[in-house]
Amino acid sequence: EDQVTQSPEALRLQEGESSSLNCSYTVSGLRGLFWYRQDPGKGPEFLFTLYSAGEEKEKERLKATLTKKESFLHITAPKPEDSATYLCAVQGRIMYSGGGADGLTFGKGTHLIIQP
Amino acid sequence: GAVVSQHPSWVICKSGTSVKIECRSLDFQATTMFWYRQFPKQSLMLMATSNEGSKATYEQGVEKDKFLINHASLTLSTLTVTSAHPEDSSFYICSALLGYEQYFGPGTRLTVT
Repeated sequence: EDQVTQSPEALRLQEGESSSLNCSYTVSGLRGLFWYRQDPGKGPEFLFTLYSAGEEKEKERLKATLTKKESFLHITAPKPEDSATYLCAVQGRIMYSGGGADGLTFGKGTHLIIQP
Repeated sequence: GAVVSQHPSWVICKSGTSVKIECRSLDFQATTMFWYRQFPKQSLMLMATSNEGSKATYEQGVEKDKFLINHASLTLSTLTVTSAHPEDSSFYICSALLGYEQYFGPGTRLTVT
């Protein structure tokens, strides 16, 4: 069974204070690791997909990295508008004999608050 | 691009009634869509995979007769919660697959009284 653990559960930073969010995973045959941002009462907003260890992707103040056991979401000089819950999810090996895509296994998220 | 909508955004219904939630991919076609449920301060939990033109695949523990899924076109999947009970109250979110990535709708808040 695929598992995703995110830490910390909550993080409060001052504006401009850089930090990293962790996502540890166990999966049988990683097909992709995904990062999403979720604002209260809304659906997740896609940020990044990582496919193999060593891969890195950047978008504005965010940078995602991947190893064989975990992924990090680095946030550099955050602003108050970066406050949200950041979700990590994995997609493992296709389980259904009929083929097609599996859904994602999500972690519980890290609730990030950036104070001005 | 890759916009997914849901309707309604929130709904209140009485116990024992049925509720239908629509999920649409607005600017792309999606052979595969997914339905998730999220309880307060919990993670998203996959309920089922919806494939256009075929039967949905349900996750273990999800009652297929209670949560009816129809994916009749490449841009529309519907989830019907039948004989709803208060414990079905939750935030229901759909996603549509584009390439290898899932794009999520804004969610539907269901409250069963």
